[in-house]
Amino acid sequence: EADIYQTPRYLVIGTGKKITLECSQTMGHDKMYWYQQDPGMELHLIHYSYGVNSTEKGDLSSESTVSRIRTEHFPLTLESARPSHTSQYLCASSVPGRDGYTFGSGTRLTVV
Amino acid sequence: QKEVEQDPGPLSVPEGAIVSLNCTYSNSAFQYFMWYRQYSRKGPELLMYTYSSGNKEDGRFTAQVDKSSKYISLFIRDSQPSDSATYLCAMRDTGGFKTIFGAGTRLFVKA
Repeated sequence: EADIYQTPRYLVIGTGKKITLECSQTMGHDKMYWYQQDPGMELHLIHYSYGVNSTEKGDLSSESTVSRIRTEHFPLTLESARPSHTSQYLCASSVPGRDGYTFGSGTRLTVV
Repeated sequence: QKEVEQDPGPLSVPEGAIVSLNCTYSNSAFQYFMWYRQYSRKGPELLMYTYSSGNKEDGRFTAQVDKSSKYISLFIRDSQPSDSATYLCAMRDTGGFKTIFGAGTRLFVKA
């Protein structure tokens, strides 16, 4: 059982709303990531963090922001949701010096 | 051209069959290769991890890397209905931070 938790699991929201997707891990991992996954497509890196107060943008310009105030918590915020943001969002963490990520179960977001 | 190519399937096999899943890649600098399994409505979970070329075996699973051909494979022996999932390959180079994922192959194992 993965020790990385994402809430909510499913979310339907109207255009223009501000939303925050939560991600928490209990493993003490320094590195955390947000990926976007669409059906039949590769995972695309949105944001990542090496540790507290460290955040970087990934390849995908998703108009989202992240924060890392505590090691265990890495929330993703969309200031103004659009239908193009409809997707599955996956949070992951890893240990420095070891490959492979631990993923959460994802948040499936639908913007109407 | 994508850095990592993976046949999306679906691949349907009878229970007990040997399954072969494959990825090709273009970046010769990739050194670390991973396979993830993703069940429906779940996040990916790490299945196998290999460094550079060669084989690695774990139970019914064998991962192979052929760097000369830029080709990696995952073999599943005695496949079970519980192996039905999407399998994603992933890889990165030695100095790079970013892991590149394939789009995944959907596998169905029929009882």
